[in-house]
Amino acid sequence: AQKITQTQPGMFVQEKEAVTLDCTYDTSDQSYGLFWYKQPSSGEMIFLIYQGSYDEQNATEGRYSLNFQKARKSANLVISASQLGDSAMYFCAMREPYSSASKIIFGSGTRLSIRP
Amino acid sequence: DTGVSQDPRHKITKRGQNVTFRCDPISEHNRLYWYRQTLGQGPEFLTYFQNEAQLEKSRLLSDRFSAERPKGSFSTLEIQRTEQGDSAMYLCASSGRAVESGERGAFFGQGTRLTVV
Repeated sequence: AQKITQTQPGMFVQEKEAVTLDCTYDTSDQSYGLFWYKQPSSGEMIFLIYQGSYDEQNATEGRYSLNFQKARKSANLVISASQLGDSAMYFCAMREPYSSASKIIFGSGTRLSIRP
Repeated sequence: DTGVSQDPRHKITKRGQNVTFRCDPISEHNRLYWYRQTLGQGPEFLTYFQNEAQLEKSRLLSDRFSAERPKGSFSTLEIQRTEQGDSAMYLCASSGRAVESGERGAFFGQGTRLTVV
């Protein structure tokens, strides 16, 4: 069965510092997609970044990058130059097999707090 | 594109009452998902539709829960005989063809927060 594990319930980071949010996953499929979402206190789920299992390069989207280590089954999110507005819950998620028809499962999340 | 819309945003109900939530997906999206999220946890998958067909249903979805998408457009999620444990945020999401939206996962609505008293 597929599973997402986020081991950091909460993190505090100083503004402008980089932060890494950990995510490991478990799947028996070779084709899958990994996502990170941000959920601010307003409650909406905001897509941040995507990594396909066959992508050889790590995904990047502005200040977000995904450190994809396939052999270790990890997909850590790196936020560079953190901002106060980055304070939110962050969820790692996976879809297998890769297709928008299959469901997305989520980890338990990491609450990130940025200190001024 | 007005995004995924959910109604109501908040619902307070007495234990034992039935409640119904509505989700309007992005118009061209043929896939629709329901999730439940409790405080401090990640969204838990409940069910999803491709057009009007309900393709998968989680074991979390007891017999008191039913979801429909009669014309392949909007969807409703009904909870019968509500219990205090049903208190949660109910999230709806939609997605289109993989080539267009697979790399974004799904687009989420703002959710319906249910409180059972």
